[in-house]
Amino acid sequence: GNSVTQMEGPVTLSEEAFLTINCTYTATGYPSLFWYVQYPGEGLQLLLKATKADDKGSNKGFEATYRKETTSFHLEKGSVQVSDSAVYFCALRQLGAGGGNKLTFGTGTQLKVEL
Amino acid sequence: KAGVTQTPRYLIKTRGQQVTLSCSPISGHRSVSWYQQTPGQGLQFLFEYFSETQRNKGNFPGRFSGRQFSNSRSEMNVSTLELGDSALYLCASSLERGSSPLHFGNGTRLTVT
Repeated sequence: GNSVTQMEGPVTLSEEAFLTINCTYTATGYPSLFWYVQYPGEGLQLLLKATKADDKGSNKGFEATYRKETTSFHLEKGSVQVSDSAVYFCALRQLGAGGGNKLTFGTGTQLKVEL
Repeated sequence: KAGVTQTPRYLIKTRGQQVTLSCSPISGHRSVSWYQQTPGQGLQFLFEYFSETQRNKGNFPGRFSGRQFSNSRSEMNVSTLELGDSALYLCASSLERGSSPLHFGNGTRLTVT
């Protein structure tokens, strides 16, 4: 079956540091890939997405590239802010009728950004 | 445009009881999906509804059920509650199946004592 593996957290960084959160996946075919962010007490917000190999998703300074050869979708940001502190989830959606809107999530990575 | 609305926000129930959670999708969205979030198991897919029909189901016991109404609003029901059902239940809506992004509500926090 499908699976998503994320690096364990928490990740603690100083403001303006470079961020990488690793994500690798196992799936058949060509799934769509997503990064979601969850702030305390809230639901998930879509951060960015990529639907095919070599696509780069980007939003709010975050970016991730769909790498089929390494089955990876690592999240990066050049300069983090305290307001980026949250839990980040990598997810995939299988294409086709069997996928629909079923997302498979990673375990989440908590990011803490300090001044 | 209003987002996905889930009610109630918090619930406390006793083992053996049943509970119904409600989800109002974004206006115009026809697909509603439900997810369970726990510290131990993470985010797990429960089921998906589209045009009042269940289209996909996760690996949960039959105690978990749902339905969707003609206005796309959805409810999920859990019967004979167990302590392990304590979780944050998230609802997500999208325009269509399989291609539109999912928009999540803030969830219903269920505590079973």
